[in-house]
Amino acid sequence: ETGVTQSPTHLIKTRGQQVTLRCSSQSGHNTVSWYQQALGQGPQFIFQYYREEENGRGNFPPRFSGLQFPNYSSELNVNALELDDSALYLCASSLEAGGQETQYFGPGTRLLVL
Amino acid sequence: GQNIDQPTEMTATEGAIVQINCTYQTSGFNGLFWYQQHAGEAPTFLSYNVLDGLEEKGRFSSFLSRSKGYSYLLLKELQMKDSASYLCAAYNFNKFYFGSGTKLNVKP
Repeated sequence: ETGVTQSPTHLIKTRGQQVTLRCSSQSGHNTVSWYQQALGQGPQFIFQYYREEENGRGNFPPRFSGLQFPNYSSELNVNALELDDSALYLCASSLEAGGQETQYFGPGTRLLVL
Repeated sequence: GQNIDQPTEMTATEGAIVQINCTYQTSGFNGLFWYQQHAGEAPTFLSYNVLDGLEEKGRFSSFLSRSKGYSYLLLKELQMKDSASYLCAAYNFNKFYFGSGTKLNVKP
């Protein structure tokens, strides 16, 4: 158990819809990162939030957006869903934003876009 | 661009030693992580290297050569429960770049 939770565990949406995924970090962890993991692939970095501000972003379009809240929870929002957005979405929290910090992953939300 | 390469799959025998290699090319580099991921589960942290050399943690060791853009994870005394995917990830200024993972099959 990493102390990081995500909801929902599974979700089915249709193309064009919008989705919000939620993550609850370990208490005291100021940094949360979000990843997309397609089947058989490694996680792809979407973005990182540190103290409620975006702190780094991977190669994902602006329809992927996020929020981080003072209570160590965060959201990933995806607009205008596409079929290729079907994947496992992982959040990972760490104490600070430095590279030496260990990330603790949540169990993930599996999204299917039809 | 960013490029992280690992072998797709490896097979080894229980009790043996296995080395999983990772090469990386990134526009910047601050360190390299190794994670273990069992099927259907989230990745769990194994090791982190920022300086050249070997880091040992029980049955697991990780090596880094920054000049060669190369790392390996060494697993000793393999156990059946070590069957999993092993992911290397290069860290660069608040961005993480993961490889596709190496699926390790441990056979009796």
